Amino acid sequence: GAVVSQHPSWVICKSGTSVKIECRSLDFQATTMFWYRQFPKQSLMLMATSNEGSKATYEQGVEKDKFLINHASLTLSTLTVTSAHPEDSSFYICSARKITGLPGSGANVLTFGAGSRLTVL
Amino acid sequence: QKEVEQNSGPLSVPEGAIASLNCTYSDRGSQSFFWYRQYSGKSPELIMFIYSNGDKEDGRFTAQLNKASQYVSLLIRDSQPSDSATYLCAVNKINTNAGKSTFGDGTTLTVKP
Repeated sequence: GAVVSQHPSWVICKSGTSVKIECRSLDFQATTMFWYRQFPKQSLMLMATSNEGSKATYEQGVEKDKFLINHASLTLSTLTVTSAHPEDSSFYICSARKITGLPGSGANVLTFGAGSRLTVL
Repeated sequence: QKEVEQNSGPLSVPEGAIASLNCTYSDRGSQSFFWYRQYSGKSPELIMFIYSNGDKEDGRFTAQLNKASQYVSLLIRDSQPSDSATYLCAVNKINTNAGKSTFGDGTTLTVKP
């Protein structure tokens, strides 16, 4: 199977501080990971695509200087919310995709982390 | 028009009935289609994926794909209260490992005992 670990599962911080969230693929290598944000009763919103060894690709409207993404290895991507404010409070979820596989083999399937609930006071 | 559209629901069915969840997509270049289940407060988990036109069955779940109509559905037979969740339809435009998924807003399903 494919397991993705996300840490921390929840965090409370003061306004103005920075928070780092880690996403690890435990039993497979992932050159590509994705970061999402989900507000209550809304769907997943893709924030950025994290690429191992290169800069992340951000979706339109997502501030790259506020949401720093680092994908330093094939098993770890981190999202840092810098100078967090109450409006950044949300459920942040990462997902990872396996490296290889033929079309139709299921290799394009996303495995999600358990999510990180951020509350900024 | 959203790229991936789903009825938001809520869809309510009695226990033991068939639940039918529908999804349409706008990009004819889409090649792979996924159904995820998300319980409240949890992250999504994969139920099924489908690449070819027709039906694909896995236990109580059947995914149906019609590329000509740009339509994908998920049928849940013998619905159980534990199936109550939000179901997300996701579409990949390219059938490679680099492709990213576009998600619908989800359909909330309630199965009543």
